Amino acid sequence: NAGVMQNPRHLVRRRGQEARLRCSPMKGHSHVYWYRQLPEEGLKFMVYLQKENIIDESGMPKERFSAEFPKEGPSILRIQQVVRGDSAAYFCASSPSIATKAETQYFGPGTRLLVL
Amino acid sequence: DQQVKQNSPSLSVQEGRISILNCDYTNSMFDYFLWYKKYPAEGPTFLISISSIKDKNEDGRFTVFLNKSAKHLSLHIVPSQPGDSAVYFCAASATNSGGYQKVTFGTGTKLQVIP
Repeated sequence: NAGVMQNPRHLVRRRGQEARLRCSPMKGHSHVYWYRQLPEEGLKFMVYLQKENIIDESGMPKERFSAEFPKEGPSILRIQQVVRGDSAAYFCASSPSIATKAETQYFGPGTRLLVL
Repeated sequence: DQQVKQNSPSLSVQEGRISILNCDYTNSMFDYFLWYKKYPAEGPTFLISISSIKDKNEDGRFTVFLNKSAKHLSLHIVPSQPGDSAVYFCAASATNSGGYQKVTFGTGTKLQVIP
């Protein structure tokens, strides 16, 4: 029973390029959450998605960032025209249903994005 | 604006002794508190939680204490073991109108248990 999978695990991009981060939830999970951990900070909520729906994107930067969770395939966090300040660890979590208890969110290993 | 604060970035404890990790929060709307453990190159894994209606929750070697009036919680690990060496994140959540909990994390405390 595989856990939450994220790929790539490490991603290096030059300023101005696009970054695509993928998250495959645990089997049977249809809810996905993205968190970002900037250096020396805690994880911060970005967006909560269900299949084909964005439920809460209150933590997403207004520009350059987008997220989707299609009917088939992984959830994608897309960062356009990356800047050095986007360098961070991006964690995905999934839950089988709406996370009425926070511990039902299971975290993936993260993608470390480095912008040169 | 760091709503969940862990003021000690690191802590070293001798094996067999008690480890005490502290956490403060500022948002009175938080009604659920959690501790996560994180090893390098892995995601956080849930350790223990406590509801705001309680002041203590125990699970084996791990006990979480909550002082609502002080907006403070702590995690006690006793006895500490070398395998407990990891980064520990304090987290807090509030159930919003959508019925789900959005989790706010602290900056983490790196615990080293010395054999």
